[in-house]
Amino acid sequence: QTVVTQEPSLTVSPGGTVTLTCASSTGAVTSGYYANWFQQKPGQAPGALIYSTSNKHSWTPARFSGSLLGGKAALTLSGVQPEDEAEYYCLLYSGGAWVFGGGTTLTVL
Amino acid sequence: QVQLQQWGAGLLKPSETLSLTCAVYNGSFSAYYCNWIRQPPGKGLEWIGDISQSGTTNYNPSLRSRVTISVDTSKNQFSLKLSSVTAADTAVYYCARGDVITGMGYWGQGTLVTVSS
Repeated sequence: QTVVTQEPSLTVSPGGTVTLTCASSTGAVTSGYYANWFQQKPGQAPGALIYSTSNKHSWTPARFSGSLLGGKAALTLSGVQPEDEAEYYCLLYSGGAWVFGGGTTLTVL
Repeated sequence: QVQLQQWGAGLLKPSETLSLTCAVYNGSFSAYYCNWIRQPPGKGLEWIGDISQSGTTNYNPSLRSRVTISVDTSKNQFSLKLSSVTAADTAVYYCARGDVITGMGYWGQGTLVTVSS
């Protein structure tokens, strides 16, 4: 079964820019993996940010963007706000099944 | 505004069958896949499986032998059954609507299911 790997933790300063990545054990992530990104805060259900690599939902703040970077899916936050401190999960479609990454804890400090 | 509301038993004994239902309100039901996802306490998310409106299912290989997802299009509802539960199945279970085209944009509120003797 595919294993999806994310950075366990990252720290960013308010107003800064940070990129989270999502790698697949099967090889380079392409558009065919339909990467999704979610934000989860304690005690809440995950909230969807990005789908199909780079598409934003109608509610996704403009500072969030998705892309492919160096064979991985990537989520970039530009102009980070204190409220962006959360757990971030990627989700990849591989072999007819969805697989979540282990999550990245983003600290805004 | 699309809303997903889910319900089901929150406390089970080992070997029992988990049963949850999710209803979709204020949105198209027939055009999307519906998913079940779970999250053990303090851990990450795990995709359980999905179902199309025609009843086509896909399951996580690690759970396939114990999972059944079904759909009732007349009620805009879909359901999850997980048999022979153990303490390792203790988790918050979420339903979510979406697929490769639309993304999983809409989620239920989550149901904590605890397995304990």
